[in-house]
Amino acid sequence: EPEVTQTPSHQVTQMGQEVILRCVPISNHLYFYWYRQILGQKVEFLVSFYNNEISEKSEIFDDQFSVERPDGSNFTLKIRSTKLEDSAMYFCASSRRGTGNIQYFGAGTRLSVL
Amino acid sequence: AQKITQTQPGMFVQEKEAVTLDCTYDTSDPSYGLFWYKQPSSGEMIFLIYQGSYDQQNATEGRYSLNFQKARKSANLVISASQLGDSAMYFCAMREESYKAAGNKLTFGGGTRVLVKP
Repeated sequence: EPEVTQTPSHQVTQMGQEVILRCVPISNHLYFYWYRQILGQKVEFLVSFYNNEISEKSEIFDDQFSVERPDGSNFTLKIRSTKLEDSAMYFCASSRRGTGNIQYFGAGTRLSVL
Repeated sequence: AQKITQTQPGMFVQEKEAVTLDCTYDTSDPSYGLFWYKQPSSGEMIFLIYQGSYDQQNATEGRYSLNFQKARKSANLVISASQLGDSAMYFCAMREESYKAAGNKLTFGGGTRVLVKP
C-alpha cells in the first residue's frame, strides 16, 4: 500500500541552524501538508501546498519556514534558523481529490533543537 | 472557541469490550468532513475513518464506527472488540470544505489516550 515517507526520523540540531525535513508524498496525490505536534500537545496545521504554491498557512508558519517541491516526488519543509520552541514532531501528509480527500500522514520527523 | 473538543483525556478498556471516544465540533460551514486518527506510541498518525457532513449513514470501517449526530455536532468513535494493539492516542479532526474543493487543513482535537487491559 502506498505511503508517505519522511526522512530523517529524528533530527538533532543546534539553535540557529537551518534544517530541512523531507517528505515523499503518495505518488498520485496532489495536495501536500505539514503539521507539527509539540510533545504532549495537539497536532497543529502549518501549511498546505497545491500546484506548486502555498494554498494556506497558519500563524505558526512565519518567515523562518518555507516549503518546496524541488522535483516530482519530494516535498520539503525548511526551518531557516531553528529556535528551542521548534522542537516537535513534524508530520507530512498528502491527499488527492476524491471521497473525503483523506490526508495520509507520514511517520513524522522528530526535531530536537538544543 | 475550540473547533474540536475531546473531553476524555484518557480511558481504560477491557480487552474484547467496546469503547466510545467522544468528539464534539463547532463549525458554521455546512460542508465539512470529520476524521479519526490513531497515534500509537511509535508516533505515526494512522487514518481510521471518515464521515462527511452530508452522509446519511454512519461510517464504518471494520471494528471502527463513527456515531455521527449532526444536530448535536458530535462524531464519536466506537471501537468494538478492543484488542491490545488498540492502545494508543486517538485524535478527532475536522476539515471545513465550503470555500475550496479540496486541500483544506485539518483541525485536531486534543486527543484521548486509550489503554486496553488484558
